[in-house]
Amino acid sequence: NAGVMQNPRHLVRRRGQEARLRCSPMKGHSHVYWYRQLPEEGLKFMVYLQKENIIDESGMPKERFSAEFPKEGPSILRIQQVVRGDSAAYFCASSPLTGSPEAFFGQGTRLTVV
Amino acid sequence: EDKVVQSPLSLVVHEGDTVTLNCSYEVTNFRSLLWYKQEKKAPTFLFMLTSSGIEKKSGRLSSILDKKELFSILNITATQTGDSAIYLCAVEALYGNKLVFGAGTILRVKS
Repeated sequence: NAGVMQNPRHLVRRRGQEARLRCSPMKGHSHVYWYRQLPEEGLKFMVYLQKENIIDESGMPKERFSAEFPKEGPSILRIQQVVRGDSAAYFCASSPLTGSPEAFFGQGTRLTVV
Repeated sequence: EDKVVQSPLSLVVHEGDTVTLNCSYEVTNFRSLLWYKQEKKAPTFLFMLTSSGIEKKSGRLSSILDKKELFSILNITATQTGDSAIYLCAVEALYGNKLVFGAGTILRVKS
């Protein structure tokens, strides 16, 4: 049973470009969470999704950031017109249908904006 | 606003030492507290605590929760260099499915 899969592991973007981060949850998990980790800080919640629904996006910046979890395929975190301050590690986590808080994390995508 | 504070921020010990990591929290409608270990990759789950006073153990690691004083501790006995990592504490509120994380404690175990 593969764990939470994120890709790419590393992503370099120039300022103004778009970044797309992908997350495939563990098999049987229908809850996906995105977290951002800045250097020397803890993980900060961004968004919680179930299939085709955004449940809680209270941690998402109001502009340039969007997330989706389509019926088929991975969850996508999209950052438009990236700026240097978007450089961080972005972690995806998934949990089972019952919504257990014992979320399982992916390896993360390290975004660097140059 | 829900808040989790971990202490110390960093810690250096020698192999064989025992360490205690602290986590205090303020959260509306507390549901659970979780500990994770993060090396150079994904945070890996250690413990989930929901009830006060019940110690959870896994090998040399143990953790306990005090819901009255709003804190938890994570103990590691007979530390090894492989215990070097960032230890993250997180809480979940009853009516939310998100985890609120502390900044973590960086533990370094020297041989």
